Amino acid sequence: KNEVEQSPQNLTAQEGEFITINCSYSVGISALHWLQQHPGGGIVSLFMLSSGKKKHGRLIATINIQEKHSSLHITASHPRDSAVYICAVKGGNYQLIWGAGTKLIIKP
Amino acid sequence: KAGVTQTPRYLIKTRGQQVTLSCSPISGHRSVSWYQQTPGQGLQFLFEYFSETQRNKGNFPGRFSGRQFSNSRSEMNVSTLELGDSALYLCASSTAGTSAYEQYFGPGTRLTVT
Repeated sequence: KNEVEQSPQNLTAQEGEFITINCSYSVGISALHWLQQHPGGGIVSLFMLSSGKKKHGRLIATINIQEKHSSLHITASHPRDSAVYICAVKGGNYQLIWGAGTKLIIKP
Repeated sequence: KAGVTQTPRYLIKTRGQQVTLSCSPISGHRSVSWYQQTPGQGLQFLFEYFSETQRNKGNFPGRFSGRQFSNSRSEMNVSTLELGDSALYLCASSTAGTSAYEQYFGPGTRLTVT
């Protein structure tokens, strides 16, 4: 079993829909990252959180430390949100442990 | 502030050759991490440097090496290239020495080995 599991692996939705991407992890962590990677390859760090909830524009990230679970939500989704969303947690020894990513496609 | 820059952006090499990739972090960032991304494996951690010292190394063979200079710029080198080394190589910088801090990624270098 991978230490970081993301679901779903692939998600296709219509423009305007509310999107939820989940991340579960099995290691103790001090921080969890959500990142976005567009088809061209560039990676953008969206959030780093260790508790509670963060919001930036239409993006919301939550984390439940007790349940070892985080969610990334996108409200009023738009085709430009189409990307791979990656969850990563800090495991031991300073290394980030990466999820496999969720490929999101938003259709107009 | 300029972002993380990587050079070259694209590279084609043949098997057996060696390659050096460069990463310039955001000004003031002292930590640089390198990652390999392939379609089948996702993002794999290569190594992290902080103040010219390698802090951590992932599970890659010794053909993969790196270094960091006093100005925090970092290079990674792959010797005796294999077809399986074809990948997108990403570097990320952060202010402090651990990957628990927010990382800023460069655009990547896409390496193709033929």
